[in-house]
Amino acid sequence: KQEVTQIPAALSVPEGENLVLNCSFTDSAIYNLQWFRQDPGKGLTSLLLIQSSQREQTSGRLNASLDKSSGRSTLYIAASQPGDSATYLCAVKGSQGNLIFGKGTKLSVKP
Amino acid sequence: EPEVTQTPSHQVTQMGQEVILRCVPISNHLYFYWYRQILGQKVEFLVSFYNNEISEKSEIFDDQFSVERPDGSNFTLKIRSTKLEDSAMYFCASSYSNEKLFFGSGTQLSVL
Repeated sequence: KQEVTQIPAALSVPEGENLVLNCSFTDSAIYNLQWFRQDPGKGLTSLLLIQSSQREQTSGRLNASLDKSSGRSTLYIAASQPGDSATYLCAVKGSQGNLIFGKGTKLSVKP
Repeated sequence: EPEVTQTPSHQVTQMGQEVILRCVPISNHLYFYWYRQILGQKVEFLVSFYNNEISEKSEIFDDQFSVERPDGSNFTLKIRSTKLEDSAMYFCASSYSNEKLFFGSGTQLSVL
């Protein structure tokens, strides 16, 4: 059964710092991996989608990497801003087709 | 930018009552989903819907749950007889190609 783990559970950084969020999954047979942002009381906003054949995806200050064989993905946020404060969720799509989520990393960027 | 719309944003109901959660997916999308998140826990898959039928469902999606796309624009989740443990944030999502999912802002369901 696929399990997705995100470390750390919470992270607090000063504004301007570069940071890395980690995601690991137990079954490497995935179709894709998505990173989402969740603001309190709000829905999930898709940030990046990496197909299983890809190694990374970039959007603005965000870069996500995927190492399928080792069951790991990282989300790199450059030059963090207070507006980046949110919970970041990693989700993998496996053979069953549905997304399996991690519990998230709660990021706080201090001005 | 097109978005998935969910109503109501909050729903309070008594245990044993029926509730219907409503969603308007993005108009040209073909795949529709319901997920839920119990407070402090992971987002969990409930059901996916394609071509007017359920394509996949989880163990959570038992006989108390049903989905419907009544009119080509709305997508609903019905819980026939709510239990306390059904209290959660329910998210609707849609996708054009079953790849990238777009989520709504959720309905917070509280069962008393």
